Amino acid sequence: DAKTTQPPSMDCAEGRAANLPCNHSTISGNEYVYWYRQIHSQGPQYIIHGLKNNETNEMASLIITEDRKSSTLILPHATLRDTAVYYCIVRVVTSYGKLTFGQGTILTVHP
Amino acid sequence: NAGVTQTPKFRVLKTGQSMTLLCAQDMNHEYMYWYRQDPGMGLRLIHYSVGEGTTAKGEVPDGYNVSRLKKQNFLLGLESAAPSQTSVYFCASSYSQDSNQPQHFGDGTRLSIL
Repeated sequence: DAKTTQPPSMDCAEGRAANLPCNHSTISGNEYVYWYRQIHSQGPQYIIHGLKNNETNEMASLIITEDRKSSTLILPHATLRDTAVYYCIVRVVTSYGKLTFGQGTILTVHP
Repeated sequence: NAGVTQTPKFRVLKTGQSMTLLCAQDMNHEYMYWYRQDPGMGLRLIHYSVGEGTTAKGEVPDGYNVSRLKKQNFLLGLESAAPSQTSVYFCASSYSQDSNQPQHFGDGTRLSIL
């Protein structure tokens, strides 16, 4: 499985952009990069995913480098409710859609 | 906008008791999954189903059974609960196994075995 590396924790001021990095240097050409987050006591929440192009939805933007070895999740205007553990996952191609969560980044948004 | 619903949300059992956790999804998804989450261990896949009437083992299936009698429901059973099964259990579903299809999770069942 392609391994991901994320910083264990990050801080962000409310209203500012939060940029969460992820390294996945062993990613294969057909493997997607997924981002989920888990707010305390809740289930993992899907945020966004991409293959090679940058992606944007109502929650966030995903920037994937041209060599696909790293990516950045951007929350454009962080709020206190964005405080959570953020997981970067490389989705391995399997017969059942394997999804493997690592340790993630604890993002704390401060007032 | 229900998505994936898990019941119950909390439960305390005594060792040796049995119980069933229910997962229901209203998105017409084919694939459903049961995970457990323990401190420092991340999420581990217990069992999964690729469609109505099918089940398969994941990474940590021992001590659990599952059934998928209806497309929208996926049941996780503990026949004889053990303290090692104290955990938070999450159900997820996806449209297919395609890597381009995200899994959507419920809010979990917190289970304590005394």
